[in-house]
Amino acid sequence: ETGVTQTPRHLVMGMTNKKSLKCEQHLGHNAMYWYKQSAKKPLELMFVYNFKEQTENNSVPSRFSPECPNSSHLFLHLHTLQPEDSALYLCASSQSSDQNIQYFGAGTRLSVL
Amino acid sequence: GQNIDQPTEMTATEGAIVQINCTYQTSGFNGLFWYQQHAGEAPTFLSYNVLDGLEEKGRFSSFLSRSKGYSYLLLKELQMKDSASYLCAYSGAGSYQLTFGKGTKLSVIP
Repeated sequence: ETGVTQTPRHLVMGMTNKKSLKCEQHLGHNAMYWYKQSAKKPLELMFVYNFKEQTENNSVPSRFSPECPNSSHLFLHLHTLQPEDSALYLCASSQSSDQNIQYFGAGTRLSVL
Repeated sequence: GQNIDQPTEMTATEGAIVQINCTYQTSGFNGLFWYQQHAGEAPTFLSYNVLDGLEEKGRFSSFLSRSKGYSYLLLKELQMKDSASYLCAYSGAGSYQLTFGKGTKLSVIP
């Protein structure tokens, strides 16, 4: 148990669906992150939130829309995804965005049909 | 292109020692991290090196040479449960972002 919980663990969706991934951290951290992990590729940083403010968007397509209502919760809203978006989506948190030790959730395995 | 490199796969025997190397290139440097990731699970933090030298934590040790852009993770007294992917990552100076390698899949065999 890392203190970072992601739901759902698995998700299958069609290209026209809208779904959301949820992340919750119980560590009292102020920074939260979304990563994409594809087979045989390194972890790719997607978004960073620090004290609920988005501080990084690594050229992520607009079909991925993050939301951070408070420092403990992070969402990733998905719409009109493509099959190549199928991957493991990982959430992480750290004390702040300049405290680099990040703690990860177990991820959501997403399949886009 | 990828400026952090580690072997794709390694195999080692239970009870043995294995060293997983990582090389990186960056204009600024703020720390080197190792994470362990079992299949289908969260990456878990193992170690963080910011200065040169060896950091020891039980069966796991991590070494850093900043001048050589080189780190290794040393696992001693290997156990079957150590079979996992090991991810190397660095953070650049003035940046909180972690740049990850592709990971090394370690298989421990009896």
